[in-house]
Amino acid sequence: SSELTQDPAVSVALGQTVRITCQGDSLRNFYASWYQQKPGQAPILVVYGKNNRPSGIPDRFSGSSSGNTASLTITGAQAEDEADYYCHSRDSGGLHLYVFGTGTKVTVL
Amino acid sequence: EVQLLESGGDLVQPGGSLRLSCAASGFTFISYAVSWVRQAPGKGLEWVSSISGSGGSTDYADSVKGRFTISRDNSKNTLYLQMNSLRAEDTAVYYCANVGSSHFGQFDYWGQGTLVSVSS
Repeated sequence: SSELTQDPAVSVALGQTVRITCQGDSLRNFYASWYQQKPGQAPILVVYGKNNRPSGIPDRFSGSSSGNTASLTITGAQAEDEADYYCHSRDSGGLHLYVFGTGTKVTVL
Repeated sequence: EVQLLESGGDLVQPGGSLRLSCAASGFTFISYAVSWVRQAPGKGLEWVSSISGSGGSTDYADSVKGRFTISRDNSKNTLYLQMNSLRAEDTAVYYCANVGSSHFGQFDYWGQGTLVSVSS
């Protein structure tokens, strides 16, 4: 099975921009999805596909990809964006195989 | 409103069995694949298993293959995870999530999770 690697932690000043990256072989064939998880809560989907956001997700969240790397960018980070973020993609070898990234803790200063 | 409600989590001894359930509402259950994802205490998310809308296709993570079985009852809008030969490393919060209708495979909605503790 594949692996998706993320930096363990990043910090961003309030109102500034932060990019979270995710690397893995599966991303050469499949788009990444991104999830936000706050302490004690279930994850929520924030970005998926080429750059799609579910209803209710602010447009400061955006996604991009190139080669084996996917990125989630938060433009104008807010205090409420402080959370863990996980990338996720389909995996090769099965119709319903998936893999999650290792997760990135985002701290808003 | 889409809702996913997990149940069945408990404290179980190593080698024991447990069956988790996930009751779905607010969407046409049979039309969507659904998945189980777990999170060990203080750790990241780990995909466990997924099943197609009809139930005819399933996949498992290597860590649970041969021990866990995913199934669904579309007449009851319910997803199940039968867990056998449980190990300490299976201790986690188990979430169910539905797979979106696009080909991207995103997990649109998640339940609140149910805690499984494996300990003697």
